[in-house]
Amino acid sequence: GQNIDQPTEMTATEGAIVQINCTYQTSGFNGLFWYQQHAGEAPTFLSYNVLDGLEEKGRFSSFLSRSKGYSYLLLKELQMKDSASYLCAVLDNYGQNFVFGPGTRLSVLP
Amino acid sequence: NAGVTQTPKFRILKIGQSMTLQCTQDMNHNYMYWYRQDPGMGLKLIYYSVGAGITDKGEVPNGYNVSRSTTEDFPLRLELAAPSQTSVYFCASRDRSNEQFFGPGTRLTVL
Repeated sequence: GQNIDQPTEMTATEGAIVQINCTYQTSGFNGLFWYQQHAGEAPTFLSYNVLDGLEEKGRFSSFLSRSKGYSYLLLKELQMKDSASYLCAVLDNYGQNFVFGPGTRLSVLP
Repeated sequence: NAGVTQTPKFRILKIGQSMTLQCTQDMNHNYMYWYRQDPGMGLKLIYYSVGAGITDKGEVPNGYNVSRSTTEDFPLRLELAAPSQTSVYFCASRDRSNEQFFGPGTRLTVL
């Protein structure tokens, strides 16, 4: 079976750091992806982890532990424009299909 | 590059009507996907294609059909629309680094 879990909502303050967790139980694994989706818009790609460890990209970092079925997205120096939903997705064993989690809605407050 | 384009942006259908959601990409990507997103939820895969002439079902294919006659186009057909198909539909293509590029979406309401 395929199951991906994320917290439904999070709130943080402008300038702070927030960590959004994602746990997955899938029948196969070929990489974990994070997407950002502003309300009423399409998702946009943020990061991709296929090996264990931390990938850093400016204010955004993503971590993966394959043995624990766990990833997190770390957002530093939060800005108001970071208020959005963050979607975690796993690429399946055949490298063809993506399974998405329910998304985490992040609200950044002044 | 226009990227991934979808038409129409909005549509209201009556129960039992049919329609085709258009999707075109100009990046020469082999992989293309159709997802639906219900309010406050993640994306659910309807159909996907690994190249022209090849399509396969995703998690929620019932009530939909697709075709892929060219690399660029991947239309989604709804037959006999039902209220349960009210959703936002996203088309996406995928490059060799596995990054997906999404179209702007089609908001469909079935009344």
